[in-house]
Amino acid sequence: AAGVIQSPRHLIKEKRETATLKCYPIPRHDTVYWYQQGPGQDPQFLISFYEKMQSDKGSIPDRFSAQQFSDYHSELNMSSLELGDSALYFCASSLGGEETQYFGPGTRLLVL
Amino acid sequence: EDQVTQSPEALRLQEGESSSLNCSYTVSGLRGLFWYRQDPGKGPEFLFTLYSAGEEKEKERLKATLTKKESFLHITAPKPEDSATYLCAVQPNDYKLSFGAGTTVTVRA
Repeated sequence: AAGVIQSPRHLIKEKRETATLKCYPIPRHDTVYWYQQGPGQDPQFLISFYEKMQSDKGSIPDRFSAQQFSDYHSELNMSSLELGDSALYFCASSLGGEETQYFGPGTRLLVL
Repeated sequence: EDQVTQSPEALRLQEGESSSLNCSYTVSGLRGLFWYRQDPGKGPEFLFTLYSAGEEKEKERLKATLTKKESFLHITAPKPEDSATYLCAVQPNDYKLSFGAGTTVTVRA
């Protein structure tokens, strides 16, 4: 079965640079969630979208923004990167009112 | 504020040695409780969703149960391939997940 696709899988950036992470949800899934997982930590919710509208917001820095497009894929834009932004970034998707979220393989971001 | 506490932090088992993982939670309205398995550097893999106290679900050597305040993940006769970090997450009335810190299970042959 098709799963959530994230790209790129690995990304290395310098401080103060910008990064864009992409997420392609499972076909027919209309809800996308972004999570950040620091080393040795549990995933922390950042932001979610349902039908291209922001549905919830967690501990997402103001330097980050995200959107969901008409084909339901989502992009997380990260500007003025800091060393502390180094983490695994996961995207998850679900179908409308269904509660279960299916996670992608993640993007490992390293900020030098 | 929603809180999820998992214990123990780490569990070392001999192959075939059954055990249980605990997830205790406080949440303002529970839409669902989820168990995920995560291998190092990979995304969480969905295992179970539990909705109400008394509910049980099974998959191969894993069985999840739910009470009003906690959930247990029972691993029966584990194999080395069951080695992973097991994450518990609660979903309150909104849809975002709040995760526990996880239990890292190591099964030795």
